[in-house]
Amino acid sequence: DGGITQSPKYLFRKEGQNVTLSCEQNLNHDAMYWYRQDPGQGLRLIYYSQIVNDFQKGDIAEGYSVSREKKESFPLTVTSAQKNPTAFYLCASSGDVTRYNEQFFGPGTRLTVL
Amino acid sequence: GESVGLHLPTLSVQEGDNSIINCAYSNSASDYFIWYKQESGKGPQFIIDIRSNMDKRQGQRVTVLLNKTVKHLSLQIAATQPGDSAVYFCAENREAAGNKLTFGGGTRVLVKP
Repeated sequence: DGGITQSPKYLFRKEGQNVTLSCEQNLNHDAMYWYRQDPGQGLRLIYYSQIVNDFQKGDIAEGYSVSREKKESFPLTVTSAQKNPTAFYLCASSGDVTRYNEQFFGPGTRLTVL
Repeated sequence: GESVGLHLPTLSVQEGDNSIINCAYSNSASDYFIWYKQESGKGPQFIIDIRSNMDKRQGQRVTVLLNKTVKHLSLQIAATQPGDSAVYFCAENREAAGNKLTFGGGTRVLVKP
């Protein structure tokens, strides 16, 4: 898990509620990413941020929002507009000067909508 | 469109045998490839990477082969151990696209004792 923490590990929410997933890294990485993983499938990019106060939509950004006010933090909000939010959410970061392309992943948050 | 995919969804391997996991990609502009290992309920862990100007790279018990002619990537695990049981993903990276990784669907490796 190497310096990236995600909380909570399990999260339950009722339909129609917004929920925010936390991601913190102490690796001094510039870039941070959010992915969604559905059972038996690969990772799909939701949002990414290359630098503080800047972020870009990934492949499946609809129904999600992010902020990047601090270098070490990249919270993801799953809004009520996300039609199928139940999934495993993974945060990653990259930007080490020796391994710039390598993304380090957090342990993930499993979100279940009741 | 661009895609990265895997040929086999599940691979059963006898302990001690070698494992080969395959991956096909379609974007010839990809300049970097990574293999990740994901254990149940955890985030992916980096295994090995290879740049597009290389054909082969070796790590500890793992070898990645890149065939750019047919856009094929493989991960070989030598002397597979029970701890190797996991889902393995290949991912492609294009630096020009902001270092966004595109992941394949994953292959589950089951090691039989």
